[in-house]
Amino acid sequence: TQLLEQSPQFLSIQEGENLTVYCNSSSVFSSLQWYRQEPGEGPVLLVTVVTGGEVKKLKRLTFQFGDARKDSSLHITAAQPGDTGLYLCAGAMNSGGYQKVTFGTGTKLQVIP
Amino acid sequence: ETGVTQTPRHLVMGMTNKKSLKCEQHLGHNAMYWYKQSAKKPLELMFVYSLEERVENNSVPSRFSPECPNSSHLFLHLHTLQPEDSALYLCASSQRLSRRDRTDTQYFGPGTRLTVL
Repeated sequence: TQLLEQSPQFLSIQEGENLTVYCNSSSVFSSLQWYRQEPGEGPVLLVTVVTGGEVKKLKRLTFQFGDARKDSSLHITAAQPGDTGLYLCAGAMNSGGYQKVTFGTGTKLQVIP
Repeated sequence: ETGVTQTPRHLVMGMTNKKSLKCEQHLGHNAMYWYKQSAKKPLELMFVYSLEERVENNSVPSRFSPECPNSSHLFLHLHTLQPEDSALYLCASSQRLSRRDRTDTQYFGPGTRLTVL
């Protein structure tokens, strides 16, 4: 069974602070995705990283895929209250024309104004 | 709005009831998924339909029965559930991958919050 461990599980910070969330797995995935989920909604895809060592930036969010394609990190600079939510990493494997996605344990972020 | 709708948004049912969850996607996708999200577990894949054919059944108990009558609609029929089945049930859709594609994007609905008494 593929398992993705995220750390920390919970994070409460002040507006303006920086933070990093980690996602670690013993398995190799064809790609790794990060989602954000807000209360009462489904997860929304933020980014997909495909190549080992890849770094992607989305405004104040920086995503990195490990060289071995087993781990990833999400760094948020100058966090805003709007960043509050559940962050999920997910490893994806292509399987017979569809994508099988294994989700991580999640990091619940609260940014206090 | 992700283009994936789910009804009902909230459902409370007894253990002897039969109910159905509905998912509809307006994105022209041809793969659809059911996931279960419990409070203390990662999001779990339950079923996958690709081109209206069930291609994945992740050891889900038979009291959950999926149905995909066409590529836009997906149902989850519920029968004789247990209190531990209380969770958020999420539907997602994506476009079937070609051999060249390495990734795709799954679009999730808002979920149905199910409580089993």
